[in-house]
Amino acid sequence: QQPVQSPQAVILREGEDAVINCSSSKALYSVHWYRQKHGEAPVFLMILLKGGEQKGHEKISASFNEKKQQSSLYLTASQLSYSGTYFCGTSDGGNYQLIWGAGTKLIIKP
Amino acid sequence: SQTIHQWPATLVQPVGSPLSLECTVEGTSNPNLYWYRQAAGRGLQLLFYSVGIGQISSEVPQNLSASRPQDRQFILSSKKLLLSDSGFYLCAFSGSSYNEQFFGPGTRLTVL
Repeated sequence: QQPVQSPQAVILREGEDAVINCSSSKALYSVHWYRQKHGEAPVFLMILLKGGEQKGHEKISASFNEKKQQSSLYLTASQLSYSGTYFCGTSDGGNYQLIWGAGTKLIIKP
Repeated sequence: SQTIHQWPATLVQPVGSPLSLECTVEGTSNPNLYWYRQAAGRGLQLLFYSVGIGQISSEVPQNLSASRPQDRQFILSSKKLLLSDSGFYLCAFSGSSYNEQFFGPGTRLTVL
């Protein structure tokens, strides 16, 4: 039950906003967001826990809708450094694994 | 602070040769440890995870194996590499009950 990420890819101009979605068919305990730049390892961005929490990190924030089993990652006034592939990882709280989405490739152009 | 090391960074091996990749973690005790493989342009495939010394769970049947001889050391091995073993191998650790995972720099393996 891999979570579904959308869109698969998005191209933006610097300064534009982006939204990346992660949807699961299972009840979720937590959603984790990571960014991976080309040729590098994924980097942890934030975790959202069951309870409809919203979090922010500079111009990157995320929400978790527990009823819809969906999380959204918001990138505002995108910078060139935001380019990369964004992965969501989900947990139902039952074990030590994360179930990973297929990733969303974000390209920011100057 | 917590850090994770992986080596080597890149590796080119002939088909049929053995493999040993090592991962070590500093600054935390009794972490959960993970080995992932990522094919070019693809997502993260969990290979093995460990919740303690000598405790290994395998997610994908293959010619790879993993061992955890010490609390903060995780080793990925193969007796005979296949062409399909090529990829980007990532070790990760988690030190909290919320299971945030932090990745090492990875090893890019090319099997020829």
